[in-house]
Amino acid sequence: GDSVTQMEGPVTLSEEAFLTINCTYTATGYPSLFWYVQYPGEGLQLLLKATKADDKGSNKGFEATYRKETTSFHLEKGSVQVSDSAVYFCALREGSNYKLTFGKGTLLTVNP
Amino acid sequence: NAGVMQNPRHLVRRRGQEARLRCSPMKGHSHVYWYRQLPEEGLKFMVYLQKENIIDESGMPKERFSAEFPKEGPSILRIQQVVRGDSAAYFCASSPEPTNTGELFFGEGSRLTVL
Repeated sequence: GDSVTQMEGPVTLSEEAFLTINCTYTATGYPSLFWYVQYPGEGLQLLLKATKADDKGSNKGFEATYRKETTSFHLEKGSVQVSDSAVYFCALREGSNYKLTFGKGTLLTVNP
Repeated sequence: NAGVMQNPRHLVRRRGQEARLRCSPMKGHSHVYWYRQLPEEGLKFMVYLQKENIIDESGMPKERFSAEFPKEGPSILRIQQVVRGDSAAYFCASSPEPTNTGELFFGEGSRLTVL
């Protein structure tokens, strides 16, 4: 079945550091890919998405490119801020629109 | 604008007891989804409901678990005779209509601990 594997956390960075959170997936077809973020005390919210190969999703300075050849969707940000501290979830959707398959989540802590 | 509200945030039950988790969707949303995150795993789909209807319960365990979304009031996920393996975070999500974008609006989750 479908699965998502993402980088084990926790990840701790200093402000303005470069961020990469790796995500790879296994799917039978051509899924849509998502990054969700959960800030402290809040629910998960969609950060960005890509629906086909080579698409780049971007939002709030974060980017991820759908790489079919490596089945990856790594999340990157050039300069993180303290306010980016959160748990990041990679997810895919194949078939039914509401059935997302999530990774375990990666806790990011950014120190000033 | 209130988001998806889940309660309780934390629930402790002894084996054999019942657990009830509640979810109030965002205002204007009539579609509710429940997901479960077991320890060391990702969130997994359990059930999709509209008002008074279960649309898809293919992710629900066959026994002890049930869900409803009545005409009035919150959606409820009910777990009867809980066992230790039910300890998990249960997330509720909502959407204004059947989502065709994959964007779901999630609550903070309810963490169930079974002693």
